[in-house]
Amino acid sequence: AQTVTQSQPEMSVQEAETVTLSCTYDTSESNYYLFWYKQPPSRQMILVIRQEAYKQQNATENRFSVNFQKAAKSFSLKISDSQLGDTAMYFCAFSGTGNQFYFGTGTSLTVIP
Amino acid sequence: NAGVTQTPKFQVLKTGQSMTLQCAQDMNHNSMYWYRQDPGMGLRLIYYSASEGTTDKGEVPNGYNVSRLNKREFSLRLESAAPSQTSVYFCASSAYRGPADTQYFGPGTRLTVL
Repeated sequence: AQTVTQSQPEMSVQEAETVTLSCTYDTSESNYYLFWYKQPPSRQMILVIRQEAYKQQNATENRFSVNFQKAAKSFSLKISDSQLGDTAMYFCAFSGTGNQFYFGTGTSLTVIP
Repeated sequence: NAGVTQTPKFQVLKTGQSMTLQCAQDMNHNSMYWYRQDPGMGLRLIYYSASEGTTDKGEVPNGYNVSRLNKREFSLRLESAAPSQTSVYFCASSAYRGPADTQYFGPGTRLTVL
């Protein structure tokens, strides 16, 4: 089975600063996808960004970008110019040929005014 | 489009009671999923339906049953609720059940079993 590890249960960042959330995973597959989901206090899970493992280029969505290191099996999320609305739980997820999503335990991010 | 909707938002049950959680999506997706989320843990897959008419067990299926009523609706039933089933339940859908397909989630149902 695949495993996804988020080793930072809680993080905080000053508004307008940059923060990086870490995620590592374990798999023997070569073709897979990685995702970051955001869960604000409303509980709604929202897709932030996704990365295809066969693409070398790191995915970017506005202020959100990833650092994908395939050999190291690392998939970190960088949030630039942090905003109060970024306060949420962030989950890293893996999806492979088994077609099942595996989620990490989450990182609770607080943006401080 | 409402996306993925779930009812109810909150529910309190006594041990041994039964209930059905409802989920519907209006995105014409083929695949639907039920997850549970417990404190300190990520989401864990209970059951999924790759397409209308099919259902399969996920990681934690014990104590649950599901019905894919039609393409839009996927319900989760607890026949005899136990305190260990206290959790937040999420329904999700995706266009197809492939690794590339993004899953879209409903707002969740917070269930407490006393």
